[in-house]
Amino acid sequence: QQQVKQSPQSLIVQKGGIPIINCAYENTAFDYFPWYQQFPGKGPALLIAIRPDVSEKKEGRFTISFNKSAKQFSLHIMDSQPGDSATYFCAASSGSEKLVFGKGTKLTVNP
Amino acid sequence: NAGVTQTPKFQVLKTGQSMTLQCAQDMNHNSMYWYRQDPGMGLRLIYYSASEGTTDKGEVPNGYNVSRLNKREFSLRLESAAPSQTSVYFCASKLRTGANTEAFFGQGTRLTVV
Repeated sequence: QQQVKQSPQSLIVQKGGIPIINCAYENTAFDYFPWYQQFPGKGPALLIAIRPDVSEKKEGRFTISFNKSAKQFSLHIMDSQPGDSATYFCAASSGSEKLVFGKGTKLTVNP
Repeated sequence: NAGVTQTPKFQVLKTGQSMTLQCAQDMNHNSMYWYRQDPGMGLRLIYYSASEGTTDKGEVPNGYNVSRLNKREFSLRLESAAPSQTSVYFCASKLRTGANTEAFFGQGTRLTVV
């Protein structure tokens, strides 16, 4: 049973566009929702994370929107750049649950 | 500060061979994890160790064993490799399981079983 469902599987945007990646979860015990960024040949690295007591968090060009009632959260990348081309993973965890990942979204930002 | 170090980076095995993937972290983290990454499947947890001396199965443990050698090191062993174990393996560490803190990943081991 997939605990975190991520979409789309791949995404292509032009430079300056705003790609949006969506995730949904079922387990209401989750209380920590990070996004990881992975470049080819590298391990994933934490990009930004949110807790369910806030509806939005911004760090630079990256924004997480969180909808607790719908059990959904999404990543928005403002003014996307070719250097943002990577695979993005949403994840979720709680005090009693291990970190579980979505299946990933491969983002390509064309010049 | 090296973070999480995995060895080897690449490995080719024949079906039935055994090998051990090594992982070490220098951040004094309590929890360590082994994931495998396959195309379209995301990161799937194989085994984890919440603290030194404990290990538990994750989502896909069959065909693997682990050893938490000490607080720094967590190894993954394939006793009899199968082509289905061809994957990229990532080790990760975290301050402690359940803590809302960052998980740090190694660079990965790309394993091919022929």
